[in-house]
Amino acid sequence: AQSVAQPEDQVNVAEGNPLTVKCTYSVSGNPYLFWYVQYPNRGLQFLLKYITGDNLVKGSYGFEAEFNKSQTSFHLKKPSALVSDSALYFCAVRGLRAAGNKLTFGGGTRVLVKP
Amino acid sequence: DVKVTQSSRYLVKRTGEKVFLECVQDMDHENMFWYRQDPGLGLRLIYFSYDVKMKEKGDIPEGYSVSREKKERFSLILESASTNQTSMYLCASSPSWRSYEQYFGPGTRLTVT
Repeated sequence: AQSVAQPEDQVNVAEGNPLTVKCTYSVSGNPYLFWYVQYPNRGLQFLLKYITGDNLVKGSYGFEAEFNKSQTSFHLKKPSALVSDSALYFCAVRGLRAAGNKLTFGGGTRVLVKP
Repeated sequence: DVKVTQSSRYLVKRTGEKVFLECVQDMDHENMFWYRQDPGLGLRLIYFSYDVKMKEKGDIPEGYSVSREKKERFSLILESASTNQTSMYLCASSPSWRSYEQYFGPGTRLTVT
């Protein structure tokens, strides 16, 4: 079975400060890892993914994430947060043998960036 | 750009009604998914389909069924709606390649009274 944990329900950060959203996962074998963002009353938008290769992955809107196999983590980061980054963030994992490309999502982390 | 559309943004139904939620994608994707989203629980997979007329149960299929008669369309059916099915429902699609992300529709917020 595959699972994802996002230990923080909410993260508060001042505009201009670094933003980190934590994610740990459990899966058999090598993982495919994803981050999505959801703005109010919208569907999920894809931010970035780790499939293989470089552990530091760069994505949309200045976000990046670091894959750490030993800690089974895939934390999302942004060097300088914007007020417009305030949204709900989801981490997701898929194992190589997941049927139908099935994803398992974490519970989500709400990010609030204050001016 | 990939486009996934859902038939309604907001829906209000009464307990016991049969409810149909429709999802259409325009990118010829093989895989389609139905999730429900509840606060603190994230997204939970209800059903998915990897081909026309094929379906697989997800993590919470009870009380739901699905239909996929055409590749671009995936319907979620609540046979007899109950108040505990009040939720946000999200449809997604993806190509068959494992490395691809899923593309999501805007969601349908269903309220069952």
